[in-house]
Amino acid sequence: GAGVSQSPRYKVAKRGQDVALRCDPISGHVSLFWYQQALGQGPEFLTYFQNEAQLDKSGLPSDRFFAERPEGSVSTLKIQRTQQEDSAVYLCASSLSWDVSYGYTFGSGTRLTVV
Amino acid sequence: GDSVTQMEGPVTLSEEAFLTINCTYTATGYPSLFWYVQYPGEGLQLLLKATKADDKGSNKGFEATYRKETTSFHLEKGSVQVSDSAVYFCALLNSGGSNYKLTFGKGTLLTVNP
Repeated sequence: GAGVSQSPRYKVAKRGQDVALRCDPISGHVSLFWYQQALGQGPEFLTYFQNEAQLDKSGLPSDRFFAERPEGSVSTLKIQRTQQEDSAVYLCASSLSWDVSYGYTFGSGTRLTVV
Repeated sequence: GDSVTQMEGPVTLSEEAFLTINCTYTATGYPSLFWYVQYPGEGLQLLLKATKADDKGSNKGFEATYRKETTSFHLEKGSVQVSDSAVYFCALLNSGGSNYKLTFGKGTLLTVNP
C-alpha cells in the first residue's frame, strides 16, 4: 500500500483482556518497528524486525507483550492480560532497507484504552 | 544513554509570527537528527532531517541546523500559518550499536491563531 496501515484505529479493552494490534507496512519494506506513545509523551521504542527476524525486543515493557512478523510483512503486537498502564497509542513504522539513517514512515497508530 | 530535550509547550503564536522550538540532545557517536510533526488524529510525519554536523534540514518553510558544538537542532520558521498547528517532536538516531532506534523528545504543542 501507499502507507503504513494500522488496525484497529481505536481499541477499548477491559482490564485482563488480551488484545492484538495489526500493522501492514509499506510493501517491500524490510525493517519494521513498534513504538509506544503514552499521553503527552514522545514515542518509545518497543521492538524491531528485519524481515521476519525480531532483532531487538528490549523495549517491550513486560512478558505480557509479544510481537511477531511471521512472513516478513504484516506484524502483530499482542498484549496479554491488559493493565491500565498499557493505555497508549501504539505506532508501527517501516523502512525500505536495513539502513534507517534517513528515518522511517509511521502509521497513524492504534489508540488502546484499558478500562 | 541517548536523550533528547525539547522546550516545554504549549506554544501559542499568531499567524505570520516567527517560530523557534529548541531541541538539544545527548548522544555518543554521530547521530542523525530529525523533526517529526504529528497533526491532530494522525501519525508522525517526517518534517526534516540532518545527518551530519552543520547540515541544514528544510521543508515547508521549516529549517533546523545540526550544531555539534552546542548539541542542538532548533526548529525555526519565519512565518507560521494556522495549518502548522500540531505537535512537533525532535528525535535522534544514533550511529552506534542500536542504529535503528529513534529516541524522541516529549513533543511541543504549537497552536497558531488566525
